[in-house]
Amino acid sequence: DAEITQSPRHKITETGRQVTLACHQTWNHNNMFWYRQDLGHGLRLIHYSYGVQDTNKGEVSDGYSVSRSNTEDLPLTLESAASSQTSVYFCASSDSGASSYNEQFFGPGTRLTVL
Amino acid sequence: AQTVTQSQPEMSVQEAETVTLSCTYDTSESDYYLFWYKQPPSRQMILVIRQEAYKQQNATENRFSVNFQKAAKSFSLKISDSQLGDAAMYFCAYRSARGASTPLVFGKGTRLSVIA
Repeated sequence: DAEITQSPRHKITETGRQVTLACHQTWNHNNMFWYRQDLGHGLRLIHYSYGVQDTNKGEVSDGYSVSRSNTEDLPLTLESAASSQTSVYFCASSDSGASSYNEQFFGPGTRLTVL
Repeated sequence: AQTVTQSQPEMSVQEAETVTLSCTYDTSESDYYLFWYKQPPSRQMILVIRQEAYKQQNATENRFSVNFQKAAKSFSLKISDSQLGDAAMYFCAYRSARGASTPLVFGKGTRLSVIA
């Protein structure tokens, strides 16, 4: 069955370190998204991509970067981790097909703690 | 920019009773989609119900239904015959219909407790 996976599921790191969170989907979806979830804020958009070599900034993109070298993966990199980036991170993907909804399918999330 | 507001941070309901979660949104667009997502303690995001703005008929999925008031920009979720498994965080979300798959804009969520 097609799925979307994230790794690691939990990570603890130190301030200033570079961290990369992986997202892999086997749906063959063109569109991929990264959101962060914080108490009192819901989910907020970090970056998104509509295809290979395409990336776009979201509402809270400062301190994060993404690159899309193939259809299946959209890794999220924190260049220099800060305590304010302690959060739960969700990756999602969706198709661009004929279905008007083009539902987003979410990964299980990664809990990141920056000490 | 679009915004989504969930004014009830927490709600509770007795098992087998009905509860309504509120959601309002702000947009200048006429065509869009609205969603309710459920997030249980496992953290998994589960799509509960969805609505297209151009459809006047309210969406229904088993015990879940919505009251979509386009003019008032309101999209409430009604859960009937509440079950213990309904206890979760519920998020209302908006998606523009401008593109094939624009990002979602979420509300801050409502935590629902179900009392046995």
